[in-house]
Amino acid sequence: QVQLQESGPGLVKPSQTLSLTCTVSGGSISSGSYYWSWIRQPAGKGLEWIGRIYTSGSTNYNPSLKSRVTISVDTSKNQFSLKLSSVTAADTAVYYCARTRPIFVDNAFDIWGQGTMVTVSS
Amino acid sequence: EIVLTQSPGTLSLSPGERATLSCRASQSVSSSYLAWYQQKPGQAPRLLIYGASSRATGIPDRFSGSGSGTDFTLTISRLEPEDFAVYYCQQYGSSFFTFGQGTRLEIK
Repeated sequence: QVQLQESGPGLVKPSQTLSLTCTVSGGSISSGSYYWSWIRQPAGKGLEWIGRIYTSGSTNYNPSLKSRVTISVDTSKNQFSLKLSSVTAADTAVYYCARTRPIFVDNAFDIWGQGTMVTVSS
Repeated sequence: EIVLTQSPGTLSLSPGERATLSCRASQSVSSSYLAWYQQKPGQAPRLLIYGASSRATGIPDRFSGSGSGTDFTLTISRLEPEDFAVYYCQQYGSSFFTFGQGTRLEIK
């Protein structure tokens, strides 16, 4: 079955750019009409949706993060990626990638990666 | 932005009891786009309910969802030890997703 795995640096310096990649295995990222999302969770806090991408390259972002976020997709590698610029300590969180079911179904996040902890610190 | 408010913040119950978790939206939400997730410590969230009332694959029938408009409910009919976790509701609208702040279900 489809599985997702996040990868990237666990430590990022303030003002730099956080970069993460989600690798999709067990199926093609291009099959079906799925979107692919990034979601984060600061320690002990709730979930925050960052943004999503379709394999055509179409994106939607959380308005509160939009100015700093770029999500891209590489279908040849079965991967999608997150870049978050000008990070501060407030961006310290566990970052999850998740498959998002088609809008004409229910838009639910049905498969999640295990998450990767990113700390912003000098 | 649609704000989802979950109550109670913490619910203390015993195994075998019934749990009722509430999710209230600041404005009307399409039932098609209301979901519930369960999260255990150190794990990613797991989809429980989608479309407000449909159980996801492999979810036991003791979990049920209901509601419409601005008021939604997740009910666990008889709590099992593995059900003690944090539960989040989530909605989609205007190309934007939001989550509730979560309800912690703890063993009494």
